Amino acid sequence: QKEVEQNSGPLSVPEGAIASLNCTYSDRGSQSFFWYRQYSGKSPELIMSIYSNGDKEDGRFTAQLNKASQYVSLLIRDSQPSDSATYLCAVNKEGGSYIPTFGRGTSLIVHP
Amino acid sequence: DTEVTQTPKHLVMGMTNKKSLKCEQHMGHRAMYWYKQKAKKPPELMFVYSYEKLSINESVPSRFSPECPNSSLLNLHLHALQPEDSALYLCASSPGPGNQPQHFGDGTRLSIL
Repeated sequence: QKEVEQNSGPLSVPEGAIASLNCTYSDRGSQSFFWYRQYSGKSPELIMSIYSNGDKEDGRFTAQLNKASQYVSLLIRDSQPSDSATYLCAVNKEGGSYIPTFGRGTSLIVHP
Repeated sequence: DTEVTQTPKHLVMGMTNKKSLKCEQHMGHRAMYWYKQKAKKPPELMFVYSYEKLSINESVPSRFSPECPNSSLLNLHLHALQPEDSALYLCASSPGPGNQPQHFGDGTRLSIL
């Protein structure tokens, strides 16, 4: 079982819809969770970070964390074509050594 | 524009060449990272420097040699690379080695002939 799992997609949604991206992780000791957006040929860009159970909202983005079920999700409201990118889930393990683990990423396509 | 600057943006080198990738940040971050990313794959961690000391080496071949001259700079020295080493090399930094998000540079696109 991979440590951080994401559906590779592509996830295709119409403009204006809600895009829902999901990520599961295997290490119950994981403490911090991040969503990065990566456009083709570009570097990852931090979108959201979340550390405790529940929802965290920032503009059109909402991150949701459920540690009991070991999943973290990202909702994008009012999706725009410019949101089309690969979304990477990253999970930080517990412990003194910071070892971030990335999921394979989900490709999102927002069509007009 | 990113706050982590990587140079060069593109590099083409032969298998016998020696070259270096450079990374610089002025955010006062004390943790810096090198990643390798192949097309349609997630970033793959190579090295972590924490407070200018190498804290993690993810079993990277010795043809890759990292160096952290000071808290703002991170180099990756390359020698005798193989064609399969062609990839996007990403540098990242974070405030510390704890549970904090990383800021990525734009990367160096490396091609080995």
